[in-house]
Amino acid sequence: DAGITQSPRHKVTETGTPVTLRCHQTENHRYMYWYRQDPGHGLRLIHYSYGVKDTDKGEVSDGYSVSRSKTEDFLLTLESATSSQTSVYFCAISEPVGAGNPYEQYFGPGTRLTVT
Amino acid sequence: QKEVEQNSGPLSVPEGAIASLNCTYSDRGSQSFFWYRQYSGKSPELIMFIYSNGDKEDGRFTAQLNKASQYVSLLIRDSQPSDSATYLCAVNPPLSGGYNKLIFGAGTRLAVHP
Repeated sequence: DAGITQSPRHKVTETGTPVTLRCHQTENHRYMYWYRQDPGHGLRLIHYSYGVKDTDKGEVSDGYSVSRSKTEDFLLTLESATSSQTSVYFCAISEPVGAGNPYEQYFGPGTRLTVT
Repeated sequence: QKEVEQNSGPLSVPEGAIASLNCTYSDRGSQSFFWYRQYSGKSPELIMFIYSNGDKEDGRFTAQLNKASQYVSLLIRDSQPSDSATYLCAVNPPLSGGYNKLIFGAGTRLAVHP
């Protein structure tokens, strides 16, 4: 599992409440990613990080923000959760192109979020 | 047109047969291609990657890439019931800036029956 944990693993929350999901890795990987997975859409990139305090938007970033204050932690925040954000969220890690195993992304176990 | 397209399936094959999974992509400049396996309720697991035209074999798995036709396929020989899962195709587009960003297809569900 490449030393990746996600918390919480399951969460039910109400529309309009803030939610923060945590991704924690133990192997000092530089790149981290947040995806959401919905039926019929596969995995879609929300945000990614290429170092501490260095983050950028993915294809479905609206309504989400991220922070990375330490190498090992990448936080995803839904400022005001909506029902359309009900999904399974996966964190992934990778190494920069040019390093050993440059193309492999390893995924965490996922967080199932339900917004009622 | 979606950037990465896969037939959603299910693809049903008998045990011991060859399963053939296909994926097409729209960005001709894409360089790297990946196959992930995802069991129900679990996270995706990388099983193959390929970046040169032709075939790449790893055990019972063979990835095939044809950049001219913009398709990549995965063959699973001697299919087993344990291969029953959803197979995700992913592509590293040319404008990913070296950040290993991937575009995923929606996946093909494979069912191997005894």
